[in-house]
Amino acid sequence: QQQVKQSPQSLIVQKGGISIINCAYENTAFDYFPWYQQFPGKGPALLIAIRPDVSEKKEGRFTISFNKSAKQFSLHIMDSQPGDSATYFCAASLGGGSEKLVFGKGTKLTVNP
Amino acid sequence: NAGVMQNPRHLVRRRGQEARLRCSPMKGHSHVYWYRQLPEEGLKFMVYLQKENIIDESGMPKERFSAEFPKEGPSILRIQQVVRGDSAAYFCASSPRRGGYEQYFGPGTRLTVT
Repeated sequence: QQQVKQSPQSLIVQKGGISIINCAYENTAFDYFPWYQQFPGKGPALLIAIRPDVSEKKEGRFTISFNKSAKQFSLHIMDSQPGDSATYFCAASLGGGSEKLVFGKGTKLTVNP
Repeated sequence: NAGVMQNPRHLVRRRGQEARLRCSPMKGHSHVYWYRQLPEEGLKFMVYLQKENIIDESGMPKERFSAEFPKEGPSILRIQQVVRGDSAAYFCASSPRRGGYEQYFGPGTRLTVT
């Protein structure tokens, strides 16, 4: 019930292409959905986040699409660049006093030049 | 404007020794979270603390692990009598307020148990 399932496990995209990473959840009490970017040997960095009352949020080349009825959300990276090569994690938070994050297992993105 | 600081960055301990991991939150943040990341895995929540209080420790193993966030000084995650399975990256995150949701992560401490 508290899992977040992320796919694909790895993704290879050409420079300039669109990278799409998907996540699904079961617990409808989740009310905050962030995406994190992690480079090797570094901590996760908050990229963009969305709440269930919004269907889409865009920040620069990064867009979250949220489908409440399907309990799915996705990250789209437009015009992907080699510098975007990293591991991306989706997460969800229950709020209600703890706000602990439940993470997906990650997607390793490689953008070829 | 320093971010979340963790030290040490790398820690090697023999089986049976104690490991102490420190986390200083971002300036103005009084909420600290600890997560553990195993190789090729996502992060797993361990514990959530405010100054002098443990709010949620539902992800913390019942034995050998403890955490504190004193009134003064950094938050500390303590692992007693380490075993090889404790080898992982331990990340601390901080947040400015309860219900704020945004969590900002430190660079992590990579613990290796030999």
